[in-house]
Amino acid sequence: AQSVTQLDSHVSVSEGTPVLLRCNYSSSYSPSLFWYVQHPNKGLQLLLKYTSAATLVKGINGFEAEFKKSETSFHLTKPSAHMSDAAEYFCVVTSDSGGYNKLIFGAGTRLAVHP
Amino acid sequence: EAGVTQFPSHSVIEKGQTVTLRCDPISGHDNLYWYRRVMGKEIKFLLHFVKESKQDESGMPNNRFLAERTGGTYSTLKVQPAELEDSGVYFCASSQYGALTDTQYFGPGTRLTVL
Repeated sequence: AQSVTQLDSHVSVSEGTPVLLRCNYSSSYSPSLFWYVQHPNKGLQLLLKYTSAATLVKGINGFEAEFKKSETSFHLTKPSAHMSDAAEYFCVVTSDSGGYNKLIFGAGTRLAVHP
Repeated sequence: EAGVTQFPSHSVIEKGQTVTLRCDPISGHDNLYWYRRVMGKEIKFLLHFVKESKQDESGMPNNRFLAERTGGTYSTLKVQPAELEDSGVYFCASSQYGALTDTQYFGPGTRLTVL
């Protein structure tokens, strides 16, 4: 069965410093992986997705993630945090339920950005 | 292009009452999904429609929940009677093909509070 572990429930960084949000997954096949973000009082927005093409995936707002099969990881990074990055981030893996796309979410990581 | 919309944005009801949540997917998306997040927990899959048919309802918690998608357009999720543990945020998502690589686009969610 597929599962996702987000290793940090809260991450706090200063504006202008790098961001690292960690995610490990388990899957019996080659899954698709996603990062979604939820800003306060907003819906879930897709940041980026990995679908077995390039292992380094670039997303919106300067975020990127690297798929490492040997480490079963899909960590999210950004070189320089901005105040507007403060939000909750979800690492997501697809579940192969009969070939259709059911998503399995991690518990979420709340990112705080300080001036 | 309009995104996924959900109505209402908030609902506060008494235990034992009935509530109906509505989701309008992106036009042309045959696949519609319901998820929910209860307090302090991960976002969990509830069910998946392909057009008007229920493809997978393995995440529905019990028979107090009834989802419909008449005509393959908008969907409703009815909770009857509501219990305290049903409180949480209910998300709807839609995708065009339903394949493992397909992106699900999420609505803003309905926050349900059962008192």
